[in-house]
Amino acid sequence: GAVVSQHPSRVICKSGTSVKIECRSLDFQATTMFWYRQFPKKSLMLMATSNEGSKATYEQGVEKDKFLINHASLTLSTLTVTSAHPEDSSFYICSANPAGGRNEQYFGPGTRLTVT
Amino acid sequence: TQLLEQSPQFLSIQEGENLTVYCNSSSVFSSLQWYRQEPGEGPVLLVTVVTGGEVKKLKRLTFQFGDARKDSSLHITAAQPGDTGLYLCAGVLLGSGYALNFGKGTSLLVTP
Repeated sequence: GAVVSQHPSRVICKSGTSVKIECRSLDFQATTMFWYRQFPKKSLMLMATSNEGSKATYEQGVEKDKFLINHASLTLSTLTVTSAHPEDSSFYICSANPAGGRNEQYFGPGTRLTVT
Repeated sequence: TQLLEQSPQFLSIQEGENLTVYCNSSSVFSSLQWYRQEPGEGPVLLVTVVTGGEVKKLKRLTFQFGDARKDSSLHITAAQPGDTGLYLCAGVLLGSGYALNFGKGTSLLVTP
């Protein structure tokens, strides 16, 4: 149980285009999902907290107009990188917190974004 | 501000050796998790500790939560090459909700 999927696993896009990444909890409902960014051999950096049915909460320094988050259902959150630039290239990982459960987060497999 | 100080950052040992990874903070956590991550994959939850002084064992891995819930350790006995990976500690601050605060990670390499 507690499986989280992400799609796509890898994406290459051109500068100026937008990319959408999906995060799904497959066998549980998640009122809260989280989006992280990870640089090579570094730890995870929290970008935003996604709450079902309400606006996401962004961490300091993360542009909400650039990283659009939508949490439309209890099993799906999306992150859209708008007008992507090469510096947005990174490994993006989502996690989900099971509704009614302990403070545990289950992570997706990540999405490798490369902006050319 | 790094709430969780994780050490060591890098560790290279030979198969059969023991090792301990530490996570320390001046803050109190309601829970603390340990994850293991392979390159190009998401972190996989190993254990959650919630009670001060708690000790949990997962085969050759022993996890301990400090009495004051400010620190934790991961001890691996007789390390094997399959233990190679990035180990991350992460905690939820007491009273803060669900957001995880991650340590910087420990990159472990176990050579045959």
